[in-house]
Amino acid sequence: DAEITQSPRHKITETGRQVTLACHQTWNHNNMFWYRQDLGHGLRLIHYSYGVQDTNKGEVSDGYSVSRSNTEDLPLTLESAASSQTSVYFCASSESLAGQETQYFGPGTRLLVL
Amino acid sequence: QKEVEQNSGPLSVPEGAIASLNCTYSDRGSQSFFWYRQYSGKSPELIMFIYSNGDKEDGRFTAQLNKASQYVSLLIRDSQPSDSATYLCAVKGKTSYDKVIFGPGTSLSVIP
Repeated sequence: DAEITQSPRHKITETGRQVTLACHQTWNHNNMFWYRQDLGHGLRLIHYSYGVQDTNKGEVSDGYSVSRSNTEDLPLTLESAASSQTSVYFCASSESLAGQETQYFGPGTRLLVL
Repeated sequence: QKEVEQNSGPLSVPEGAIASLNCTYSDRGSQSFFWYRQYSGKSPELIMFIYSNGDKEDGRFTAQLNKASQYVSLLIRDSQPSDSATYLCAVKGKTSYDKVIFGPGTSLSVIP
């Protein structure tokens, strides 16, 4: 069965460290997304990609970067982790065809920045 | 800025009752509407999507869309304790490049 996985599921890091969160999907979807979810803010879009070599900034992209070298993976990098980046991070993917925009979410990564 | 708003909640209903979850959106050009359910500590999962005005039923769930009023709702009939979760409304524009905008979610608690 197709799926979307994230790793690690839990991460504790220190302020200033570089952290990379992995996202891998076997749906063969062109579109991939990274969200963060915080109490009181709902899901906020960090970065997204509509295909290989395509990346775009979302509403809360400062301090984050992504790269898309293949269809299956969209790793999210925190360049220099800050306490404000403590959150739950969700990766999602979807088809690119109109009418097929349902997003399928990974299980999430809980990140704590000390 | 495109916005999606939902009842602030939490919403409590007795088991067996109808739960009504509401959502309004600001972008009149929106074409696709989704309801996701998110259990505590889990990821969002799609319950229903709707594209056309009117009602769409799937089991105990009914999505209602009124584009003129920019309003979409989710009705849950015969609510069960297992329906207790946060429900996220999501809205997307007409092109494949429009982003999905999520509402803040409404927490539903079904009391046995």
